[in-house]
Order: sequence, then structure tokens, then C-alpha cells
Amino acid sequence: NAGVTQTPKFQVLKTGQSMTLQCAQDMNHNSMYWYRQDPGMGLRLIYYSASEGTTDKGEVPNGYNVSRLNKREFSLRLESAAPSQTSVYFCASSDGLLDTQYFGPGTRLTVL
Amino acid sequence: AQSVTQLGSHVSVSEGALVLLRCNYSSSVPPYLFWYVQYPNQGLQLLLKYTSAATLVKGINGFEAEFKKSETSFHLTKPSAHMSDAAEYFCAVSEWGSNYKLTFGKGTLLTVNP
Repeated sequence: NAGVTQTPKFQVLKTGQSMTLQCAQDMNHNSMYWYRQDPGMGLRLIYYSASEGTTDKGEVPNGYNVSRLNKREFSLRLESAAPSQTSVYFCASSDGLLDTQYFGPGTRLTVL
Repeated sequence: AQSVTQLGSHVSVSEGALVLLRCNYSSSVPPYLFWYVQYPNQGLQLLLKYTSAATLVKGINGFEAEFKKSETSFHLTKPSAHMSDAAEYFCAVSEWGSNYKLTFGKGTLLTVNP
């Protein structure tokens, strides 16, 4: 039982490049989330998916898109990376919106 | 709108001393409150949560927190700090009006000195 897995662990991009961060959970959870963590800012919600087939914007959605591929997988795409998107990205999942969120190990992204 | 304020971005204690990490929240409706811990280079792990049952909530690793509605606080305590408690701690709030999305505080880094 791996919980929440994220790939890649580290990534360096040049400004304007695109990439997709992958997230998968094996806990049969309904809800999934993408956060970014910046020093002194805590975690901020980018997008979430309350259930398979639905996605909604969080606090900081600009510059990102998401896809809930199936119940297990929730990807985050940066279409044209900017230095302001340098951050650590965490995926999380929960049984429902009211339930405990379980976090992945994170992806450290640097945009030059 | 909900918000969380963690007082003190860095708290330093001696091993065996009391740990007190402060969290105040703002919410227009009865909130759900959480404390998460993040060890270096890892994701977040739930310590404890308050969901309108008992106001004193016990969590893992000897931590507990008390919900005080009159003070809009949810401070985290541990009677005796251990070296392994060194980590960053995040308070978070969710409420019905935000579709139960979590809003995190900015975090408090706990250092434990031998």
C-alpha cells in the first residue's frame, strides 16, 4: 500500500517549457488535491477534484490545468512555466471533502 | 471567509520542555480544525483534528490541542519535547462555506535543543 505517489521528485524547467506532474493514490479515495508550498506561505490549494469527473479551482489556479484521469490519478499541467511557479508541489487525497487528507512526498520544481 | 494565523514562525524549546504552538482561526461558521506535521523533505502528516466533538483533542506522538471558541484558538501542546519532534507544524481550518477546502496557516518551525 503506497498511499499517495508523485512523479517526478525533482524537475528543472526553462521559462516557457511545459510539463505534467503526476499523482496517483491507491486508497480508493474520492477526492484529490494539488497544493503548492512556498517558504513562509504555508500550503495553498491550486485545484481539487471532489470526485471522479469533477475539478474545481482553489486559491491559486492561474497558470495551471488539471485532469482527473480516473479515480486513482490526478495530474497537474504547467503549459508555459514561469519562474513564479518555482515551488514544491504536493498532491493529497481524502475519502471525502470532510475527511483527513493524505499527502504525497512532493515534487520540487525549479523554473529558470 | 476562513483564515488561520499561527503566532511565531519559529519556536525553540529544550528537550523535555513544554511545547506550545499557537493557532488562531477566523470562521463564520463552526469550523473543522487540523494540525499537520511536516518532517524535512517529506509530505504532511495529520497530527490531530477537531470536528465539533470533544473540545480537547488527542493526537499522535503525545500531542493534543484544545478548541476554545471564545478565543477562536486551537493551540497545540505536548508536555515534554523530544528531539524527534523537530519539524514544521501547520494549523488548518475548513468550513461548510468553503466546500470544506482546507486553508493552511504559514507554519511554525519547531526546534528542539538537547
